[in-house]
Amino acid sequence: EVQLVESGGGLVQPGGSLRLSCEASGFFFRNFAMHWVRQAPGKGLEYVAGISSNAGNTYYVDSVRDRFTISRDNSNNTLYLQMGSLRAEDMAVYYCARSGWLRGHFDYWGQGAQVTVSS
Amino acid sequence: VLTQSPDTLPLSPGERATLSCRASQSVSANYLAWYQQKPGQGPRLLIYGATSRATGIPDRFSGSGSGADFTLTISGLEPDDFAVYYCQQYGSSPLTFGGGTKVEI
Repeated sequence: EVQLVESGGGLVQPGGSLRLSCEASGFFFRNFAMHWVRQAPGKGLEYVAGISSNAGNTYYVDSVRDRFTISRDNSNNTLYLQMGSLRAEDMAVYYCARSGWLRGHFDYWGQGAQVTVSS
Repeated sequence: VLTQSPDTLPLSPGERATLSCRASQSVSANYLAWYQQKPGQGPRLLIYGATSRATGIPDRFSGSGSGADFTLTISGLEPDDFAVYYCQQYGSSPLTFGGGTKVEI
């Protein structure tokens, strides 16, 4: 069974940093592209970042480029999102998701990790 | 930009739901997906490539359309289908989602 489990969320002050993790199981992690998608309270889905299966290519939405870094550890089946210079508008539930390639549909999603940015 | 309509769709079990997703420009290769999301849960893939059902999705869910105009149809709503539905284009960067349609009783 494919499982994606996010962790690392929490409360952080504006300007602070946080690292999210997504532990994958039930499939060959190294064969799939991975993504982060977020959802602000009461809002819709917003694509954040993606990384190819071998980490050779990454993509970021403009609003997080230069502040967030997506990475992966294929030996430990884990996806990461290092978030820096956090702003109030970054507050959201962050989901990790899997796709066959970097620009593909997302066939499995995690349950999400809450990130709260507040002083 | 993907625009979904209506924002809210009040229906009863057994009725047909028709959800629209319109793109500001043609979606490359009809790379359009539909997802279902229930409160407190991550989204679930329903349809990809505009018309292909994902694994395990009942055949009451169907996708149609091409170019910039797409539709998700749920024929015979069941109680478990009342949720929020999002479309997503993945034909060009940035990958984008529509604003969602809430199907409610």
